[in-house]
Amino acid sequence: GAGVSQTPSNKVTEKGKYVELRCDPISGHTALYWYRQSLGQGPEFLIYFQGTGAADDSGLPNDRFFAVRPEGSVSTLKIQRTERGDSAMYLCASSLWSPRTLTSGINSYNEQFFGPGTRLTVL
Amino acid sequence: DAKTTQPNSMESNEEEPVHLPCNHSTISGTDYIHWYRQLPSQGPEYVIHGLTSNVNNRMASLAIAEDRKSSTLILHRATLRDAAVYYCILRRTSGNTPLVFGKGTRLSVIA
Repeated sequence: GAGVSQTPSNKVTEKGKYVELRCDPISGHTALYWYRQSLGQGPEFLIYFQGTGAADDSGLPNDRFFAVRPEGSVSTLKIQRTERGDSAMYLCASSLWSPRTLTSGINSYNEQFFGPGTRLTVL
Repeated sequence: DAKTTQPNSMESNEEEPVHLPCNHSTISGTDYIHWYRQLPSQGPEYVIHGLTSNVNNRMASLAIAEDRKSSTLILHRATLRDAAVYYCILRRTSGNTPLVFGKGTRLSVIA
């Protein structure tokens, strides 16, 4: 089936502009995560949704960053007044929400499925 | 979150086994050990996870020390497609918590 998709794949913008990054999770996945990855580093958690609500937004670096998931499916990460330091790969992941362990196939308990990412460059 | 320590890089010859180590001396009783890998220009992908017993799946094996303070991801026959950054991550069982990535181990596979 279809995996997690992210659009655009690349976004170049100028300092001070507003950008929106979109994530389409796997159908039926109620948990959705945003991460940011700088060159040579591992992904860094930003925010996590359970359904429509943000369950944990402790990773957002400041109030220029905001994310929504109004219908519990697609999510949009919004960055206001972009700065050069915001340049990074922005990754989205989704997972099932289930207290029971799935023992077959690759859909293991709490496994996160990642999209290909959006590379954001702020000039 | 408990911390993991991995070598920055490792190298392997193609079709030979690879053992990727991970130290997690501050692991708690409810922490699962997860491994993800990130191929070049892609998002991370799940490899395997375990709690106490060794685990096998189609991609790899996970060997967990008896005291759980370390673990080893085993690729039985490395291929060029296994060249990636491998991340060892501890994660609590309660809820769908975010993953906390370190820098991982960059595995190079030589033909």
